[in-house]
Amino acid sequence: DIQMTQSPSSLSASVGDRVTITCRASQSISSYLNWYQQKPGKAPKLLIYAASSLQSGVPSRFSGSGSGTDFTLTISSLQPEDFATYYCQQSYSTLRITFGQGTRLEIK
Amino acid sequence: QVQLVQSGAEVKKPGSSVKVSCKASGGTFSSYAISWVRQAPGQGLEWMGGIIPIFGTANYAQKFQGRVTITADESTSTAYMELSSLRSEDTAVYYCARGDYGGNSVLGPFDYWGQGTLVTVSS
Repeated sequence: DIQMTQSPSSLSASVGDRVTITCRASQSISSYLNWYQQKPGKAPKLLIYAASSLQSGVPSRFSGSGSGTDFTLTISSLQPEDFATYYCQQSYSTLRITFGQGTRLEIK
Repeated sequence: QVQLVQSGAEVKKPGSSVKVSCKASGGTFSSYAISWVRQAPGQGLEWMGGIIPIFGTANYAQKFQGRVTITADESTSTAYMELSSLRSEDTAVYYCARGDYGGNSVLGPFDYWGQGTLVTVSS
């Protein structure tokens, strides 16, 4: 299986900060990388698909980049509603869709 | 708008089976794949498998092969996930999610999710 490793596992930041979360694949996955946001007790929400495409309705402060094995999710200016857990997901290996372990973003 | 509505919480005994449903509305059921993703308490997301309703083809994660069965009923736009030989480690919230497919394979991304179904396995 393709392993997805996120870093950091947790992060403290303040409103207005620029934040970057990294996701690394154990082998090349081209651009088959998606990012999700999950708040406590809620289903995940798709933010970014195909590494850098913004899902409809998602604020433009969210952006994604990367290809191959290294990917980033950037939040340009943190808002109070952005404090949540973020997951990357690869869908390159179609019989082995896998998620990263998650990055918990907390208020400093 | 697209909605995925799942069946309610379940409490099961170890060794038994559970079947969770996911009814889709507001979209074309047969144009997408439906995947099942679970999340144990305090843990991350784990893809279990998915189905392409128009083909009736299901893909399963290796970890769950032989223990999970995913089916779909196009006439009611409903997908089902049945997990057998339940053990305490299967206690989790189970989500269905809509995604793309390619050929006979389930793909991401998952753009719509159900509300989740808590399955508790306890003696």
